[in-house]
Amino acid sequence: EADIYQTPRYLVIGTGKKITLECSQTMGHDKMYWYQQDPGMELHLIHYSYGVNSTEKGDLSSESTVSRIRTEHFPLTLESARPSHTSQYLCASSESSGYTFGSGTRLTVV
Amino acid sequence: GEDVEQSLFLSVREGDSSVINCTYTDSSSTYLYWYKQEPGAGLQLLTYIFSNMDMKQDQRLTVLLNKKDKHLSLRIADTQTGDSAIYFCAELKTGGFKTIFGAGTRLFVKA
Repeated sequence: EADIYQTPRYLVIGTGKKITLECSQTMGHDKMYWYQQDPGMELHLIHYSYGVNSTEKGDLSSESTVSRIRTEHFPLTLESARPSHTSQYLCASSESSGYTFGSGTRLTVV
Repeated sequence: GEDVEQSLFLSVREGDSSVINCTYTDSSSTYLYWYKQEPGAGLQLLTYIFSNMDMKQDQRLTVLLNKKDKHLSLRIADTQTGDSAIYFCAELKTGGFKTIFGAGTRLFVKA
């Protein structure tokens, strides 16, 4: 069963709209991450957090922002969606024994 | 550099063994991982090995670690069509704060 939940699973949205991708985990992990992945391609880290009120940008430049007000919740926001944002977004949390990934949000900006 | 390197494709026949290889960069990495991703899904942790181990076996999966060569492999015995997926190798860097993923190996299993 999934211990990390992402919503929505699929989203089609118009250019210029503001969107928030939700991610919640029930494992009490301090470390959480957002990755961007085009289908079948490598993962690109866009944001991470080591705990409440901690957020950092990842290796891939992104126009999105994140917040971490509660341990279990790590939402990602795009203020103005563009077609170049079309991709799959994967949320994960971790401890030393590995990452637990959500099922992903497949975003299409038209 | 920080790259974890894997070959991009592997094709095997059903029932054969698959061996997916990976080279990593940090000789002090504490944990090394294998993840599986099926189409349209997130990554699923398959197995991991601690750096003081040479081998780990879990049912059909065998992980071999060669620290001297910084080489990690995943062997899948009796490969099934359901094993067709992308397999990602990853290393937990020294300090425990950053995990580096490879680009993934696409395993195709022919019936």
